[in-house]
Parts: sequence; C-alpha cells; structure tokens
Amino acid sequence: GQNIDQPTEMTATEGAIVQINCTYQTSGFNGLFWYQQHAGEAPTFLSYNVLDGLEEKGRFSSFLSRSKGYSYLLLKELQMKDSASYLCAVRVSTDSWGKFQFGAGTQVVVTP
Amino acid sequence: DTEVTQTPKHLVMGMTNKKSLKCEQHMGHRAMYWYKQKAKKPPELMFVYSYEKLSINESVPSRFSPECPNSSLLNLHLHALQPEDSALYLCASSQVGVGNTIYFGEGSWLTVV
Repeated sequence: GQNIDQPTEMTATEGAIVQINCTYQTSGFNGLFWYQQHAGEAPTFLSYNVLDGLEEKGRFSSFLSRSKGYSYLLLKELQMKDSASYLCAVRVSTDSWGKFQFGAGTQVVVTP
Repeated sequence: DTEVTQTPKHLVMGMTNKKSLKCEQHMGHRAMYWYKQKAKKPPELMFVYSYEKLSINESVPSRFSPECPNSSLLNLHLHALQPEDSALYLCASSQVGVGNTIYFGEGSWLTVV
C-alpha cells in the first residue's frame, strides 16, 4: 500500500524557520511535490524534487533523500501569510503518471 | 493568480438535481484532472484525462460523469448525488507524462442537500 506521513500541525513565530518532514513508503516513485493550501482555497505548487538533494526557491527549500524515503520543506523568515496547510505529494509511477498520492497535510500556524 | 478557472465557485443542489462543474485552462496542457477534497483531508483523485481521453477513473460512482470536450475544457456532470458528496471539487491540469507539475484551479464548493 501507499503511505505518506507528515506531522499534523506545527507552530512557529514570525521570522523563524520551520522544517516540515515527509516520509513515504510507496509502490513506486517518480517525484515528490510540495503544495501550500490556505483554508478554503486550492493548493498552489511550491516545489518539486525527483533527484536527491536540496532545491531552493527564495524563502522555501525542499530536500529529498530517495534511499530514505524522506523529504522536508524548509520555510525561512516566516511571515503571517505562511499560515497554511502544506501537502507532500508523491507521483508513484510512470505508467500512471497522473496519479499523485497526497499526505494528509501539515497545518503551520505562524504567531506574532 | 491561477490559470485554471472553475465555475461555479459555490453550488448547492438537491439530491434529484442535475448540475455540472466546469473547468478551463489556457496553458496548453494536455492532461486534466478532477480531485475531490473533504475538509481537513488531502485531495483524492477522481479522474484523469490525457489528450482528451479518459485515462484514469479511480472507481468513482457513476453519479459523477466527466467530459472533456476539447483540450482546454473539462466538465464534471453531477446527478443524483448524496449529502456525503458535499466537498471541494478541484480541477487541475499539467503537461502529459512524468515530471510534470499539476496546477490546481480554485475549486468548486459543492453542497448536496
């Protein structure tokens, strides 16, 4: 079966750094995606990793270790608007390339 | 701003009604998707269209009927729904194949009464 785990909730202070971990056990792997979703809105794409290592995009960075089935999303210089749910998603195969398996999401709460 | 637009934003329908959700994208993507999302849950894949042909149906009940009239449009026809079908319905699009990011529309909130 497919299993993607991430913490349910994390709280951090404005200006701080938060790291959201995601571990996965899936039948296949063809890329890991991070999405941000504000309450009542659609998910928006943040980052994509298919090879091991760190991808940096401004205040957001994402890391992948395929051998460990592990990824993290790093949010730096937190702002109040970063309060949202962060979804980890794995594309599990090349044959069914359209299939993404989503984690349950991590609710990040940024406090003043 | 999302380049995947969905209408209507909100829909309330009775269990005997027939309604449709519409989705449009102008990014030249040839894959389009319907996802269903309940509150505080991740999106669940319903259907995938590739080059206007249905390529994935995740065992969705027949009261949901997708249609892809052309490469830019995707519809979801709704008939005889149940209250438990109330959810956020998300349309998404991407290029075809591995390595492509999917981009979501803002969603249609459906309430079945």
